[in-house]
Amino acid sequence: SAVISQKPSRDICQRGTSLTIQCQVDSQVTMMFWYRQQPGQSLTLIATANQGSEATYESGFVIDKFPISRPNLTFSTLTVSNMSPEDSSIYLCSVVTDPNTEAFFGQGTRLTVV
Amino acid sequence: GQNIDQPTEMTATEGAIVQINCTYQTSGFNGLFWYQQHAGEAPTFLSYNVLDGLEEKGRFSSFLSRSKGYSYLLLKELQMKDSASYLCAVRSHSGNTPLVFGKGTRLSVIA
Repeated sequence: SAVISQKPSRDICQRGTSLTIQCQVDSQVTMMFWYRQQPGQSLTLIATANQGSEATYESGFVIDKFPISRPNLTFSTLTVSNMSPEDSSIYLCSVVTDPNTEAFFGQGTRLTVV
Repeated sequence: GQNIDQPTEMTATEGAIVQINCTYQTSGFNGLFWYQQHAGEAPTFLSYNVLDGLEEKGRFSSFLSRSKGYSYLLLKELQMKDSASYLCAVRSHSGNTPLVFGKGTRLSVIA
């Protein structure tokens, strides 16, 4: 299992600004995943963050908009850049500790852009 | 491509049994997962199927048919606290790979 601390839990931001979300895991993990959950929707994968290399982004998501850092095996950040109201969502980090087992999630960051 | 379908909403009565279906078409298959998500909270893991058949865990059971690309989650003896969204997710490839989620089924349990 894994315990994931994600912060901030929520924020209200002005359009045009950026927010960095932090995710700390209580054990070393190879991959960390960032998801977005728009209001009333399910989870959409933004990118996979591998320690020591650039993140791999899913279709529709780009590094300039969602830069990711992965400085070590227990920590990652996701930045939402140049925010617009359409970026209002819940952002979740997730890890898998053992191959082919379930994914664990942080508490989520509820972002509102005004 | 990846496609995971489940009903958008369901309503059931306290004490009853409800079955939430999920069909999937994915580029590969290495397990199907069910998660529960209460409003404003992160998803929590419920069950995992990788082989055909039924997995039972207390009031919750999950079934998988790989040949049909089909799974269901069965909730027995429904309680009001079971009102939540239930997410079906598939892992397409082996290893520490991400899950692909369906849109979720919002279950309302009524008295």
